[in-house]
Amino acid sequence: DTGVSQDPRHKITKRGQNVTFRCDPISEHNRLYWYRQTLGQGPEFLTYFQNEAQLEKSRLLSDRFSAERPKGSFSTLEIQRTEQGDSAMYLCASSKITDTQYFGPGTRLTVL
Amino acid sequence: SQQGEEDPQALSIQEGENATMNCSYKTSINNLQWYRQNSGRGLVHLILIRSNEREKHSGRLRVTLDTSKKSSSLLITASRAADTASYFCATPAWDSGYALNFGKGTSLLVTP
Repeated sequence: DTGVSQDPRHKITKRGQNVTFRCDPISEHNRLYWYRQTLGQGPEFLTYFQNEAQLEKSRLLSDRFSAERPKGSFSTLEIQRTEQGDSAMYLCASSKITDTQYFGPGTRLTVL
Repeated sequence: SQQGEEDPQALSIQEGENATMNCSYKTSINNLQWYRQNSGRGLVHLILIRSNEREKHSGRLRVTLDTSKKSSSLLITASRAADTASYFCATPAWDSGYALNFGKGTSLLVTP
């Protein structure tokens, strides 16, 4: 049983650049969640998908953030025109409908 | 929004001692979960306790839930250096597809 995987694990970018992160959930999980975690804080919910449908996106931090989950499998989170305040750990989790959420190792983003 | 609040923020103990950390939350829940996060890594699910349960055990972990006080505690018995991590409680966000609301966590340091 492979867990949730995320790629890349680390990303360093310059302010103003676009970045995209990928998440591969556990195969039989139909829910996929994105969270952001800053230093000293707990994860903060961003958005979630049930299969390929994005059912909640109002918590995305700005219109620079977008997420997709084509075909209900892997998901991508894109941040356009990155800002230094976007530096954080971006976590992906998956679950069956209301079951335990299993988290990936995260992608650490540093914006210079 | 962060509903759960862990207490204490930091805890330092020696190997073999017990560690207790507490979580308070604000709104009614049907379950509460505890997660562990090693430095700079993803979250690992420890235990889920449902609102109709008062106590649950898993190995060296004991979790209690008091819905009348809106609080939960996590007890780690006979701690080990490998237990050094941050511990978070998480409650369901009913308005966001059962995304999780996390507190800021308790940072536990276990010294040999």
